[in-house]
Amino acid sequence: DTGVSQDPRHKITKRGQNVTFRCDPISEHNRLYWYRQTLGQGPEFLTYFQNEAQLEKSRLLSDRFSAERPKGSFSTLEIQRTEQGDSAMYLCASRGRSRGEETQYFGPGTRLLVL
Amino acid sequence: AQKITQTQPGMFVQEKEAVTLDCTYDTSDPSYGLFWYKQPSSGEMIFLIYQGSYDQQNATEGRYSLNFQKARKSANLVISASQLGDSAMYFCAMREGLYNQGGKLIFGQGTELSVKP
Repeated sequence: DTGVSQDPRHKITKRGQNVTFRCDPISEHNRLYWYRQTLGQGPEFLTYFQNEAQLEKSRLLSDRFSAERPKGSFSTLEIQRTEQGDSAMYLCASRGRSRGEETQYFGPGTRLLVL
Repeated sequence: AQKITQTQPGMFVQEKEAVTLDCTYDTSDPSYGLFWYKQPSSGEMIFLIYQGSYDQQNATEGRYSLNFQKARKSANLVISASQLGDSAMYFCAMREGLYNQGGKLIFGQGTELSVKP
């Protein structure tokens, strides 16, 4: 089993630009999560997909953020009109469908810097 | 409200010694799960150990064990025989609810562990 992968690993952008991140979960994992981690803090939940359905969104996910998982496999997270406060590590995690599969496995993250 | 508290911002331990990282939690849900993750400077969150709220015994995974005290709402991580490679941030996290619910994780602030040679 390959792990969760994320692309890009690093992104530097100017304020006002749009950025898109991709997450490929562990194959056969039907649950996918996005988290955001700012410096010195623990990760904070952004949104959750079960298959292709987005079932939960945090209040942190403003109108400038949108996430998709069109075929229930990979997911994208887009940030429109980036702001300096969006600078953070964006982490993706996946979790299996079977009973007893409790653990979320994380990808390496995408570090975003907004100048 | 769901909450995870890690009161130790930083810890030092001598190589080959054991260390305990503290974690307390707050939830009103009878079904929950507790996790510990390790985050090296590279940024990836590495799963270490899991404890379910209904599990009767403390979880163990190699050098890691979870000291689960349900009445006190604590879930401390014990690392035995510390190694230099254990130097990292450690996060305690909680999942509320049953398996077939969303299962988002709530994280604590983390503890930075430094292992001295």
